[in-house]
Amino acid sequence: EAQVTQNPRYLITVTGKKLTVTCSQNMNHEYMSWYRQDPGLGLRQIYYSMNVEVTDKGDVPEGYKVSRKEKRNFPLILESPSPNQTSLYFCASQRREAFNSPLHFGNGTRLTVT
Amino acid sequence: DAKTTQPNSMESNEEEPVHLPCNHSTISGTDYIHWYRQLPSQGPEYVIHGLTSNVNNRMASLAIAEDRKSSTLILHRATLRDAAVYYCILNRFEYNFNKFYFGSGTKLNVKP
Repeated sequence: EAQVTQNPRYLITVTGKKLTVTCSQNMNHEYMSWYRQDPGLGLRQIYYSMNVEVTDKGDVPEGYKVSRKEKRNFPLILESPSPNQTSLYFCASQRREAFNSPLHFGNGTRLTVT
Repeated sequence: DAKTTQPNSMESNEEEPVHLPCNHSTISGTDYIHWYRQLPSQGPEYVIHGLTSNVNNRMASLAIAEDRKSSTLILHRATLRDAAVYYCILNRFEYNFNKFYFGSGTKLNVKP
């Protein structure tokens, strides 16, 4: 089954403790991206990757890092999480040959930073 | 930056058509218009997309204004399973650039 898999689904951590949220897709998509969803603000793009070793900032990249060492994986790294990064996070992928193709989303990771 | 504006909420009766509007006055010539919906505790799900012409698929229809500054998602017969938050999104891309601009979404309530 074609899917985008995020782990974990829920994560509670403390301020300053580094964490990684994993994202993996099995559709051989070149494009992958991360979003955060907050009440009243909708979804906002954090980072995206056009292909392996190619990443760029979205609209809200501060406090986040990403890496794209292989096509299927696009982890989101919070080096020193803060409470304002408490949010619902989504990973998504898309075929690059057809940028007008749909985004495929994972089921989300709910992060709480205390 | 691109921006979309949607009503916060709408209500419909089951088995009646629903027209969900979206304004995107800052759209540029090559931006694609996408619509997604999100059910509780799930990621957004693709509904439909288009560039200039109206589009139909098994889920919905997309009507795009001639000047492209607005669009309307049409659900022909709403069911209770269509109750969700619907997002209107602009997809702006070039060879090395691909961004999605989400609106704040319209929460659709379907009454039996």
